[in-house]
Amino acid sequence: AQKVTQAQTEISVVEKEDVTLDCVYETRDTTYYLFWYKQPPSGELVFLIRRNSFDEQNEISGRYSWNFQKSTSSFNFTITASQVVDSAVYFCALRGFSNDYKLSFGAGTTVTVRA
Amino acid sequence: DVKVTQSSRYLVKRTGEKVFLECVQDMDHENMFWYRQDPGLGLRLIYFSYDVKMKEKGDIPEGYSVSREKKERFSLILESASTNQTSMYLCASSFYSGGETQYFGPGTRLLVL
Repeated sequence: AQKVTQAQTEISVVEKEDVTLDCVYETRDTTYYLFWYKQPPSGELVFLIRRNSFDEQNEISGRYSWNFQKSTSSFNFTITASQVVDSAVYFCALRGFSNDYKLSFGAGTTVTVRA
Repeated sequence: DVKVTQSSRYLVKRTGEKVFLECVQDMDHENMFWYRQDPGLGLRLIYFSYDVKMKEKGDIPEGYSVSREKKERFSLILESASTNQTSMYLCASSFYSGGETQYFGPGTRLLVL
């Protein structure tokens, strides 16, 4: 069984603040993949990042950064200096190697950035 | 560029109607997926297909069927729509291998009255 928990339902920040989204996962697989997607108000899920379980290096892409810690089964996402365009629902997802293409999604965190 | 399209952005249907949702991808992906998204529940997999004419049930297949006659097209069918099928439906596709990223279409918001 695999499971993803995004404990934060909604986060509201003022522009230029940093915001961190938590993602905790459970899987019995030793090989697995973690993903983050962004869903703006238009509805389309936009792929942000994929990480495999053997690569614990943190990653930075512009204002986005990800912190992967296997010891705590967490894959957290930080937006630095948030902007109004970052307002969206963000989903964390997990695919265990034994799970035949199946992605398990967290419930999502709604981020609202106020001007 | 990755492209997944869905036939409608919004649909309104009546209870008991047969509903077809179409999804097309132009990336030559082997895998295609149908999800439904409901507030607080995230995305739940309805069906997926790993090849033409092949299909596998996901977590919530009841009340749905699918069809994949061509590699690029994957249809979701609601044989007799019910109000509890009012939801956002998302199609995705990916290459055939473990860990490959799924790319999503824009979604179809279905309202069943």
